[in-house]
Amino acid sequence: DTAVSQTPKYLVTQMGNDKSIKCEQNLGHDTMYWYKQDSKKFLKIMFSYNNKELIINETVPNRFSPKSPDKAHLNLHINSLELGDSAVYFCASSQAGGGPYNEQFFGPGTRLTVL
Amino acid sequence: SQQGEEDPQALSIQEGENATMNCSYKTSINNLQWYRQNSGRGLVHLILIRSNEREKHSGRLRVTLDTSKKSSSLLITASRAADTASYFCATDQIQGAQKLVFGQGTRLTINP
Repeated sequence: DTAVSQTPKYLVTQMGNDKSIKCEQNLGHDTMYWYKQDSKKFLKIMFSYNNKELIINETVPNRFSPKSPDKAHLNLHINSLELGDSAVYFCASSQAGGGPYNEQFFGPGTRLTVL
Repeated sequence: SQQGEEDPQALSIQEGENATMNCSYKTSINNLQWYRQNSGRGLVHLILIRSNEREKHSGRLRVTLDTSKKSSSLLITASRAADTASYFCATDQIQGAQKLVFGQGTRLTINP
């Protein structure tokens, strides 16, 4: 069974378009995250949600809007896509936000290419 | 800002040899975690070491943590071709919400 799944795996789109990436976890975790990994493999947190509430927003442009319909899902919607948005986006989850000893489980990633 | 910095950025060794990767960080932490990323895949958690621990083992993995020097090392013994991957350290900073800050990783290549 897939623990953290993301769709789509690949996304190629034109500049200026709006797109969404979906994430689901079946681990029963309370906290979910979105990360961006750039071409140099640098992985940076974008958002964190705990029980559907936003707890971390790392100065991400407001073109990025996460939405958590329930604690098992955290979707990422991106408006007016720019070339610099091209990256691999990873969803992750962990048992409880705020806990000091929790590992995170990552999805397989979505490679976004903006042309 | 980037917290963890791995050293070296790339490492190539022969199968059977030991591989050592280092990580330095800047602020106080709850714990430090190591993750592996195979090419084109997501990250997989390897091991977590708490701030009050100095050494931890898991199979062929040995992790050390020196909070006075703000550094950690990951040792993989008796390397195998399947160990070829990128390895990232991530620090769980002391603050309300859990927030992992990743370094840029060490690209490890095991030559058969």
